[in-house]
Amino acid sequence: EPEVTQTPSHQVTQMGQEVILRCVPISNHLYFYWYRQILGQKVEFLVSFYNNEISEKSEIFDDQFSVERPDGSNFTLKIRSTKLEDSAMYFCASSEAQGTEKLFFGSGTQLSVL
Amino acid sequence: AQKVTQAQTEISVVEKEDVTLDCVYETRDTTYYLFWYKQPPSGELVFLIRRNSFDEQNEISGRYSWNFQKSTSSFNFTITASQVVDSAVYFCALSGTVIQGAQKLVFGQGTRLTINP
Repeated sequence: EPEVTQTPSHQVTQMGQEVILRCVPISNHLYFYWYRQILGQKVEFLVSFYNNEISEKSEIFDDQFSVERPDGSNFTLKIRSTKLEDSAMYFCASSEAQGTEKLFFGSGTQLSVL
Repeated sequence: AQKVTQAQTEISVVEKEDVTLDCVYETRDTTYYLFWYKQPPSGELVFLIRRNSFDEQNEISGRYSWNFQKSTSSFNFTITASQVVDSAVYFCALSGTVIQGAQKLVFGQGTRLTINP
């Protein structure tokens, strides 16, 4: 089965540093997402992206966050100046078509901000 | 506002027992979708099922079955003859009316299921 690939699997950074989390969605998918899961808590929606623009974002997704699809395959999440509370598992997901199709999730990037 | 409640934080059973994970949801949308995901110790989220609000037919897939009851806003998940490999955190999720084709899943807190040999 095709899969969403995320790199790196673990990222450690100092508070205030910029980080970029990378994702390669499934090749024919059109809708892309970032979710995050703080340790022991539920998975939370951050942002959805379609047709090269953000289609929806949550309150968590403030000006420190940005997403980009720099080429035909990658989908990135940038955090400009990381805070301790940004420490979480970040999941990328993609779906094929319009409507509530099955979301394929990547295996996540564990971000630790020190 | 949409909300998903999984009241059972942790469940522990002995292998081969049947176990039911509860999920209760709240939404004002007339069209919505319900999901279950499995998160094994390795951390990834594995899709198990998607069900739309117009289809109340229960579904069975091997040892897994799902009971959707609109009248009680519940979408419960039962594992029959549980196995150690079923040990994981299970998330119930809800997606409401789709905006521009993109869907936003609202997850429950998850139920940590431990199957003991």
